[in-house]
This record gives sequence, C-alpha cells and structure tokens, in this order.
Amino acid sequence: DAGVIQSPRHEVTEMGQEVTLRCKPISGHNSLFWYRQTMMRGLELLIYFNNNVPIDDSGMPEDRFSAKMPNASFSTLKIQPSEPRDSAVYFCASSKGRASGANVLTFGAGSRLTVL
Amino acid sequence: GENVEQHPSTLSVQEGDSAVIKCTYSDSASNYFPWYKQELGKGPQLIIDIRSNVGEKKDQRIAVTLNKTAKHFSLHITETQPEDSAVYFCAASGNQGGKLIFGQGTELSVKP
Repeated sequence: DAGVIQSPRHEVTEMGQEVTLRCKPISGHNSLFWYRQTMMRGLELLIYFNNNVPIDDSGMPEDRFSAKMPNASFSTLKIQPSEPRDSAVYFCASSKGRASGANVLTFGAGSRLTVL
Repeated sequence: GENVEQHPSTLSVQEGDSAVIKCTYSDSASNYFPWYKQELGKGPQLIIDIRSNVGEKKDQRIAVTLNKTAKHFSLHITETQPEDSAVYFCAASGNQGGKLIFGQGTELSVKP
C-alpha cells in the first residue's frame, strides 16, 4: 500500500493566487481529514469527510478555503485567493471511519505551502 | 468542543533515561486517546493508543496511562534512544464522527 499520497509536496506562490492541494487516501478508507500545521497553532482540523460527504467544516478558516471529495479516491483543498498567513504544512489523513470515533488516522507526508 | 492541552512543549533527556509527556482534555465524552510521533519532514504516525475502558497500555518501551476522572493521559518512554527524538502529539476523540483533536506537541530530544 502506497499510503496517503499528497501533492504537491512543496508549493511557493504569490499572494492572491489560487492554490490547489490534492490527496489520494488509502484504498478502502472511508474517512478523509484535512489538517493544517503551523508553529503557532499546531495541528488544526480544517474539514473531514465520511463516505465522500463533508461532515464537519467548522475548522475551515474562511470562505477563501474550500474542499471537495468527488469520489472515494480523491480530495482537493483549494485556497482562493491565497494570503501570506495561509503559509503552513497541510496534511491529509484517512481512516476506516466509524461514526463512534476511535479512528486510526494515517497521514500523508504533507504539502508545504509558502505564500509570498 | 474538545480542547487538549499538552506539556511540556520541549523535553530534553539523556539516552537511556525515561521521558514523560502529559495531556489533559476537556470533553468527558472523549473515549479514544492516541499518540502520534512526527519526524522531520514527515506526517504524524500513530505509535500507541488507549481507549477509555483501559487504564494503561504498554508496547515495548512505550506506555500510556489514562485517568478518566481527572481527564488526563500520559505517554511514558523508557530507555530512550536517539531515534526517539521527534515531536510527539497527543489527541482525543469522542462521539463526534471520528474527529481527532490534537495537543500542541512536545519536541523530544534524546542526547547520546
């Protein structure tokens, strides 16, 4: 199993540009999570999906952020327009989700975003 | 919602010594408490977890204890080795559809 695959690994862009981060979860996992990691705020949950449906997006910072999961094997996190304060490492994770919790998350290697 | 506090933020020990990292949580409904290890340039990886019906769990040099009454849990690493150097995160999850809330992380440094 190749694990959770994220792309790109590094992205440098200028303020105002659109950024799209991609994630391929582990086959058979039905829950997918997007986290953001910064020194100041640690690991923050942005949004998570169960069976391709967004369950909780309360962590999405503002309308500039959007996430989609069109099928069980692909998800995107989009930032439009990007701002310097969006600079962070964005992690995707997947699990064999159960509504009752107790999910073992497998994380991808992360996408490091720098907005100039 | 759930809030997880983790201490200390940095920890430096000599090789062979023990390391202890502590976390508290706020939501009494939380019932799953994993610990993740993050090495430089990588995503966090699960190293051990405990469920609320268990007070202690051990896996070789790593152990986790849980006190549900006090709402705190701890990670214990014995006989530390340089390869244990990493950032460790605690987390808590309850009946919120699998949502894991992480602590702020502890940077552990094991000096040879």
